[in-house]
Amino acid sequence: GESVGLHLPTLSVQEGDNSIINCAYSNSASDYFIWYKQESGKGPQFIIDIRSNMDKRQGQRVTVLLNKTVKHLSLQIAATQPGDSAVYFCAENSGGSNYKLTFGKGTLLTVNP
Amino acid sequence: DVKVTQSSRYLVKRTGEKVFLECVQDMDHENMFWYRQDPGLGLRLIYFSYDVKMKEKGDIPEGYSVSREKKERFSLILESASTNQTSMYLCASTNRGGRSEQYFGPGTRLTVT
Repeated sequence: GESVGLHLPTLSVQEGDNSIINCAYSNSASDYFIWYKQESGKGPQFIIDIRSNMDKRQGQRVTVLLNKTVKHLSLQIAATQPGDSAVYFCAENSGGSNYKLTFGKGTLLTVNP
Repeated sequence: DVKVTQSSRYLVKRTGEKVFLECVQDMDHENMFWYRQDPGLGLRLIYFSYDVKMKEKGDIPEGYSVSREKKERFSLILESASTNQTSMYLCASTNRGGRSEQYFGPGTRLTVT
């Protein structure tokens, strides 16, 4: 079946650096993508989303890039802070009316002070 | 602020017990979901519901059932708990219109001994 995967299971960065978390997806019919952040002991929290008719979307300190040619999604976090330490998931919606999401396995981001 | 609540944060049950996990959302969302989250496997969909009394199987429905008698409440039932159902259980909801993120509850850490 279709799946969403991550290139790197762990990422360690220094405070103040920029972070890039990558995600590969395999369903070319997917038209909506989301990034979630999950802190230890909490449920996933929405960060940013992007639709397939866009290549880039920016939020506060975060940017999501979508490359449909190679089916690749990335999350960029500017000036990474210790509070950004968490597991980050990408998710895709492959269409249909039931709004099911397929989640990647997650990348653990650790920010060193 | 949108809110999804789950009845318990931690739960310990014995093998063979019937277990009820409750989820309530206050956003008047039509769609509700139950996932389990295991290390290395990410979030896997157990069941979802797109309306009161309506349900559909997700990717791993075996050993589970659900109930949705009211729009705001979605229950996950383990008919006879087994040790391989020890996991983190996450509830989520989303509205019906268009593509949108799922809002997650804080999760229930279930241990079956």
